[in-house]
Amino acid sequence: AQSVTQLGSHVSVSEGALVLLRCNYSSSVPPYLFWYVQYPNQGLQLLLKYTSAATLVKGINGFEAEFKKSETSFHLTKPSAHMSDAAEYFCAVSRVGRDDKIIFGKGTRLHILP
Amino acid sequence: GAGVSQSPSNKVTEKGKDVELRCDPISGHTALYWYRQRLGQGLEFLIYFQGNSAPDKSGLPSDRFSAERTGESVSTLTIQRTQQEDSAVYLCASSLRVSGANVLTFGAGSRLTVL
Repeated sequence: AQSVTQLGSHVSVSEGALVLLRCNYSSSVPPYLFWYVQYPNQGLQLLLKYTSAATLVKGINGFEAEFKKSETSFHLTKPSAHMSDAAEYFCAVSRVGRDDKIIFGKGTRLHILP
Repeated sequence: GAGVSQSPSNKVTEKGKDVELRCDPISGHTALYWYRQRLGQGLEFLIYFQGNSAPDKSGLPSDRFSAERTGESVSTLTIQRTQQEDSAVYLCASSLRVSGANVLTFGAGSRLTVL
């Protein structure tokens, strides 16, 4: 089975500061990994995905994430936070070669301080 | 359609009543998922349909919950004898395989309130 742990249900950063949202996964086989974002009063949308090609994945709005097998991590970063980044972020996992479900973490709400 | 459509967008019901939630996926998307999002919580997997394969029902919380999908079209999530703890936003998503990994397109959700 696969699972995802997101450290920190709430993260606050100042505008212009580095954003780091943590995600650790557990999977019995190599994983596919995703970050989704939910802006206030909007539906979830894909931010970026890892599908076993490059370990550093770039997404929309300046976000990127790095797959680290040795650490079973897929942390999301952005060099400089913007007020519009305030949202809830979800890490998700599925399994390579398996035609199966995608499991989400509990989410991290990102607050941007002026 | 252009996106994943869910109805109703809001449903208020009394404890003990049955409810049906509908999801109309993007045309051509072979996979369809249902998730539950309680207030302040993450997305809880409920059920997954992939093409004509048997659905993965491992996330359904009790036998009061069931879901059907006809072919690769509309899906209905049914909750029987609703309880207050069923109050949540029920999200549907559909997907088309991309690089072997399902990228989900979500609907706006159906907000269920059980009084």
